[in-house]
This record gives sequence, C-alpha cells and structure tokens, in this order.
Amino acid sequence: DQQVKQNSPSLSVQEGRISILNCDYTNSMFDYFLWYKKYPAEGPTFLISISSIKDKNEDGRFTVFLNKSAKHLSLHIVPSQPGDSAVYFCAASYSNAGNMLTFGGGTRLMVKP
Amino acid sequence: DAGVIQSPRHEVTEMGQEVTLRCKPISGHDYLFWYRQTMMRGLELLIYFNNNVPIDDSGMPEDRFSAKMPNASFSTLKIQPSEPRDSAVYFCASSPGGQGAPGQETQYFGPGTRLLVL
Repeated sequence: DQQVKQNSPSLSVQEGRISILNCDYTNSMFDYFLWYKKYPAEGPTFLISISSIKDKNEDGRFTVFLNKSAKHLSLHIVPSQPGDSAVYFCAASYSNAGNMLTFGGGTRLMVKP
Repeated sequence: DAGVIQSPRHEVTEMGQEVTLRCKPISGHDYLFWYRQTMMRGLELLIYFNNNVPIDDSGMPEDRFSAKMPNASFSTLKIQPSEPRDSAVYFCASSPGGQGAPGQETQYFGPGTRLLVL
C-alpha cells in the first residue's frame, strides 16, 4: 500500500529548461509535504516543503505546487542545471504522526549540458 | 552543527556476524529515525524514537534487528545475526519536533552506512 507514489522513475531534461517532478498521494490526512534531493553515496537532503494550507511555495529556482483536490504535488526546477542531477524523493506527513514521513520511491533526474 | 553523524560509513561482514551501526543526531532534535534503502523497496522506515523512547518499530523486519537510544546524542541499530539480504544502505535522520512549529517534521539525514553481508 503505497501512500506516496512517484510514477516516473527517471526524467531527462536539457540544461536551462524546466524540470517537473510529480508525486501523488492517497492519504487525505497528509498535511505537510517535502521534497528531498539525494546524490550518490550521500544521505537525502531537504530541499523544499509546503503546508496543506498553501498551494505554492517558492525558493529560488525551486517551486513546489500542491493540488489537494487531486492529491498531487509537483516540484518545478527552473532553469535546470547539471548539478541538479540527482534522485528526488517526495515525502508527506500529517499531524499526530509523530514526525513520521512517508516517502515516495524517488525520481532520477538527469540534466544534460 | 555537524549534522547527523553515522558510523561506520562502510561495513563488510560475513553472514552470521553481529553488525552495529551508530548514529549521532543533531543536537536539540527530539526525533531520531532509522531507515533502510534498497533497490527493491526504496527508503523504508525501520524505527523511530521520540526523546529517546522507541515509538514505532513496526518497520523492523525481524527479531534479528534491534535499536537503542540510551541518550539524546546516540543511537545504535544492531543486526544479529546478519544475513546477505540485510545488505543495504542504512540511514539515520533526526528532526526537531515540537507541536505546530514550522518545519518540525523536516528530517535531516546522515550520510548513511553501506552494509554488505557476504
């Protein structure tokens, strides 16, 4: 029972273009969502988050959009850079979940120079 | 702060041996999490602690796995006896906690321990 799904295992984008990574969830109790980036041989690093009271959060080149009715969130990276090549995980949590996060399976992003 | 510290970074052992993984969370964080990452199952939560107390260990695969947190700055994950199928990368993460505080759920990960059981 995957409550958080990233249906695209990989994505390839040209440098300078937009990267869009998608994530779907099934548990309507989730009220906080996060994106992590992971390089090989390193731990996941926190990238950006959004609360369910918002539908958009922006931080530099990274923007996360949340569509609660569709139970869908996306991460936009504009412009994409080769250094953005990594595995991206979305994660979700809800109040009273004891700070537990439920992770998606990850999407490998490759940004080509 | 140095971030979450894990040791060792790499461990190669033989089947049947005991393996102990160590974690030092970020100072002041109330929550500590142990994860396992494999190609087949992705990132799985094994167990987590709140204020040194185990809260949910439903992800621990078998009785061969045990975790302790004797104090706020140290936790161990032990596998005894180890088996080849335990080969994976094990991550420790910590988060601040606090009811309603912005970013309380954000977990900060260590670099992981890559375990190979032969």
